[in-house]
Amino acid sequence: DQQVKQNSPSLSVQEGRISILNCDYTNSMFDYFLWYKKYPAEGPTFLISISSIKDKNEDGRFTVFLNKSAKHLSLHIVPSQPGDSAVYFCAATNTGNQFYFGTGTSLTVIP
Amino acid sequence: DAGITQSPRHKVTETGTPVTLRCHQTENHRYMYWYRQDPGHGLRLIHYSYGVKDTDKGEVSDGYSVSRSKTEDFLLTLESATSSQTSVYFCAIRRQWNGNTIYFGEGSWLTVV
Repeated sequence: DQQVKQNSPSLSVQEGRISILNCDYTNSMFDYFLWYKKYPAEGPTFLISISSIKDKNEDGRFTVFLNKSAKHLSLHIVPSQPGDSAVYFCAATNTGNQFYFGTGTSLTVIP
Repeated sequence: DAGITQSPRHKVTETGTPVTLRCHQTENHRYMYWYRQDPGHGLRLIHYSYGVKDTDKGEVSDGYSVSRSKTEDFLLTLESATSSQTSVYFCAIRRQWNGNTIYFGEGSWLTVV
């Protein structure tokens, strides 16, 4: 049973606009959440994370929002750039031992 | 750069043959992981290790075994490869000073024919 879900397999956004990627989870014990970016033929690279004690974390153009009551997190990219085109995975952990990943959302930023 | 080297990077093997993938790290981290990536399934944990000779199963461990005889090496073995094990395999490490984040290697592409 998938504990972390990304229900949108793909997303297209115009360059300069906001990209919003969504992620839902089912395990209320998760206390740390992460986003990874993956280009074809490369390994996933860490992008940004958030602890469950926060509801927002920002790093440059990337902001992650956490809504614990809804068991939902989102990644906002503003402004979107063509180089942001990649597959984005959200992940969650509760002990730091096991990390559970979603199925990924393929973002295309159109110039 | 996570200091991880995976080998081989690409391999084609026949059904029923044993295959071993190697993950080598240079930063002396305690935790190491093996994931597989498949379309529609994302990244799924196969096994992980929390020290030399200390390993545990992940979500999709059936058909796989692992060994960690040295801190720097984490081996993933398919005892008898099947076509369902055709996948991209990623090794990851968890850095001590950032315990809630894992960092991935570049992947090993395995095709079982």
